[in-house]
Amino acid sequence: EELLVESGGDLGQPGGSLRLSCAASGFPFSSFDMNWVRQAPGKGLEWISYISGSGNNIKYADSVKGRFTISRDNGKNSLYLQMNSLRAEDTAVYYCARGVRLGSWGQGTQVTVSS
Amino acid sequence: DIQMTQSPSSLSASVGDRVTITCRASQGIRNDLGWYQQKPGEAPKRLIYAASSLQSGVPSRFSGSGSGTEFTLTISSLQPEDFATYYCLQHNSYPITFGQGTRLEIK
Repeated sequence: EELLVESGGDLGQPGGSLRLSCAASGFPFSSFDMNWVRQAPGKGLEWISYISGSGNNIKYADSVKGRFTISRDNGKNSLYLQMNSLRAEDTAVYYCARGVRLGSWGQGTQVTVSS
Repeated sequence: DIQMTQSPSSLSASVGDRVTITCRASQGIRNDLGWYQQKPGEAPKRLIYAASSLQSGVPSRFSGSGSGTEFTLTISSLQPEDFATYYCLQHNSYPITFGQGTRLEIK
């Protein structure tokens, strides 16, 4: 069974940093592109970042460009999101999603940015 | 960026009703569209991919149609477990964009 499990969500300070992880299992992780999507409280879904299976192609939404960094370790079947210069508007549930078609999602991890 | 305009934003319906939700893309996206269902406190779950292909394990009362700029999700006979929020997503080009969501409520 394919499974994605996010972790690392926490209460962060404005201007601070957090690192999210997404552990994958049940499928050939290195063969799949991956994405991060977030959902602010009571709001819709927002795509924020993409990484190809090899890690050579990366894209970001304008809202996080220059502050967030996506990466992956295919040897560890893991996806990461380094979040720097946090803002209150980054408060959201963060999901990792598999493939260019975002076919399967993890359960999400909560990030709250507040002083 | 491709804008996805989803309508209606909310909908009240009864068990057994037929319901249709529409997404319009600001430019052609071929059939690079998925439909998702989200219940409170849960992750989105894909129902339809490639505009009209039913995800494995999803009941056949769900169907999708369309290509280019106009897409629809139809639920042929609403069941109690179908009351949720629905989103369309385009993956034709980055940034990936979602519709605003349709909240389907019990009448």
